[in-house]
Amino acid sequence: GQQLNQSPQSMFIQEGEDVSMNCTSSSIFNTWLWYKQEPGEGPVLLIALYKAGELTSNGRLTAQFGITRKDSFLNISASIPSDVGIYFCAGPLYNSGGSNYKLTFGKGTLLTVNP
Amino acid sequence: EAGVAQSPRYKIIEKRQSVAFWCNPISGHATLYWYQQILGQGPKLLIQFQNNGVVDDSQLPKDRFSAERLKGVDSTLKIQPAKLEDSAVYLCASSLIRGVSTDTQYFGPGTRLTVL
Repeated sequence: GQQLNQSPQSMFIQEGEDVSMNCTSSSIFNTWLWYKQEPGEGPVLLIALYKAGELTSNGRLTAQFGITRKDSFLNISASIPSDVGIYFCAGPLYNSGGSNYKLTFGKGTLLTVNP
Repeated sequence: EAGVAQSPRYKIIEKRQSVAFWCNPISGHATLYWYQQILGQGPKLLIQFQNNGVVDDSQLPKDRFSAERLKGVDSTLKIQPAKLEDSAVYLCASSLIRGVSTDTQYFGPGTRLTVL
């Protein structure tokens, strides 16, 4: 089935550093979503991207929808300890009629921030 | 606004036993999803409801898994009998409408199932 490849798998950084992670696919997506999951919780939507080339920010987070529509990246600036968690990219796979979609998730990037 | 509620939060059972999970979506959300998240993986959709009807259950192992949303609000997911490989977090999510990728899915905290 369709796979979203995320890299890196994990990151260990110092507080205050910037972080960059990305997601690639062999197929085109018309939407890219970035979620964060903290221990014992469900994923929470951080940023949604709907247009190729789109650059969107949410506080210290910035995400871009790749021009080819097959990739996206997420940057976190000036990391803080509460940024710890697993970051997932996700994209919708539509059915043949386009009436419904299934969200496909990458395997996630585990971020650890040392204070 | 209350989020998606799930119970129990944790469950430990032995293989071949049965287990059931409960989900209460955000009020007014017509679409409800059950996902399975195995350790080290992203969530994988098991079943999607629109009100009380099933929209997509193509990835649900129907020989052992079942789900219902009888009144179009709460939902239960059941596993009978459980296998070791069913150990995972079971996430429930809801969204306001169906089929539109701009409509956000809100996730509950999940039920962590351990099958011994």
